[in-house]
Amino acid sequence: NAGVTQTPKFQVLKTGQSMTLQCAQDMNHNSMYWYRQDPGMGLRLIYYSASEGTTDKGEVPNGYNVSRLNKREFSLRLESAAPSQTSVYFCASRRTGKETQYFGPGTRLLVL
Amino acid sequence: EDKVVQSPLSLVVHEGDTVTLNCSYEVTNFRSLLWYKQEKKAPTFLFMLTSSGIEKKSGRLSSILDKKELSSILNITATQTGDSAIYLCAVEAKSSGDKLTFGTGTRLAVRP
Repeated sequence: NAGVTQTPKFQVLKTGQSMTLQCAQDMNHNSMYWYRQDPGMGLRLIYYSASEGTTDKGEVPNGYNVSRLNKREFSLRLESAAPSQTSVYFCASRRTGKETQYFGPGTRLLVL
Repeated sequence: EDKVVQSPLSLVVHEGDTVTLNCSYEVTNFRSLLWYKQEKKAPTFLFMLTSSGIEKKSGRLSSILDKKELSSILNITATQTGDSAIYLCAVEAKSSGDKLTFGTGTRLAVRP
């Protein structure tokens, strides 16, 4: 099992460019999550999906969109990147509320 | 809105010392509290504490949940340089749809 995988590992964008961060899990988990992590800010939830076909906003959704393509995949899209979106992005998945979340290795994004 | 506060923000100790990390929370309809360790990349799971499991131990690490004080501590005894990491605390509410709210973390540095 690969667990949770994310692509790309690192990306540099110019302000205004768009991109999609990909996430996939092979653990048959129902719930998937996107977080961003900034220095001194901990992990902040951007969007999550409790099941295939559903998505909900988290704490910091502005400037992002998501798609739960199927049970395995949950993508995060930046339509018009801004320097404030420079961060490390983590995807996570979870089977049920009785278990922990499993995190992907992260995507480091730099917006110039 | 759920809230998690961790203290101290950072800590430097020497190998062999014992450390205690603190996590306090405000959450409506508490379900669980989780501890994660984050080294260079993704957070890795340490413990989950619930009303039915308020104390957990694994090797030199242990954690206790105090539901009355709305807090938890993470103890690390006989610290080693490999314990150097950011330790994250997160809470989940029963009504949160499997969402976790994270604290900002405690950065622990263990010197040889």
